[in-house]
Amino acid sequence: DGGITQSPKYLFRKEGQNVTLSCEQNLNHDAMYWYRQDPGQGLRLIYYSQIVNDFQKGDIAEGYSVSREKKESFPLTVTSAQKNPTAFYLCASSITAGGTNEKLFFGSGTQLSVL
Amino acid sequence: DQQVKQNSPSLSVQEGRISILNCDYTNSMFDYFLWYKKYPAEGPTFLISISSIKDKNEDGRFTVFLNKSAKHLSLHIVPSQPGDSAVYFCAASAVSNFGNEKLTFGTGTRLTIIP
Repeated sequence: DGGITQSPKYLFRKEGQNVTLSCEQNLNHDAMYWYRQDPGQGLRLIYYSQIVNDFQKGDIAEGYSVSREKKESFPLTVTSAQKNPTAFYLCASSITAGGTNEKLFFGSGTQLSVL
Repeated sequence: DQQVKQNSPSLSVQEGRISILNCDYTNSMFDYFLWYKKYPAEGPTFLISISSIKDKNEDGRFTVFLNKSAKHLSLHIVPSQPGDSAVYFCAASAVSNFGNEKLTFGTGTRLTIIP
């Protein structure tokens, strides 16, 4: 049963704390992405990775970090430098980043809130 | 700079009638367009797409129309059903050296189907 698994579903962060959101896929997709959803602002791209051990900043990368040590995994760390971390975070993947007309497959999301 | 705009944050339609969701874009390099459907606390799911070489694509009750000269696309759902109640995101991408990548999303339209 292939798909994208995000964990945890809900996460709380204390002031000054770093937290890591997990994203795992078993679709054998090359490319993975992290988006953030805020009310009224749609989905904004944080980071994306086209291949293992490589990733690029998206439109709102400040205060976030990622790693891509395995094809299946693309964890996102929300650092203390991110001053407004409360949002719904979505991980996605696509077959390749080099193909044309690719569509993204999304996980079920993680809601991050600040205590 | 919002390159993909969905100017109607919400839309209510009677069950059985046609739902029309609109999307405008400003980047003339966009050549692939998608619609995603999203339920609360879940990830978006792909609905339908259209390439810029076409002006219409149909899939069951869902039809997407593209007007390149007006930089406008629309999603028609007919007949509308209660299960169609969700937030709909328009997205667009442009061909780069790596193929299509980095979808840009609109802010979404919340569709409510009234029984």
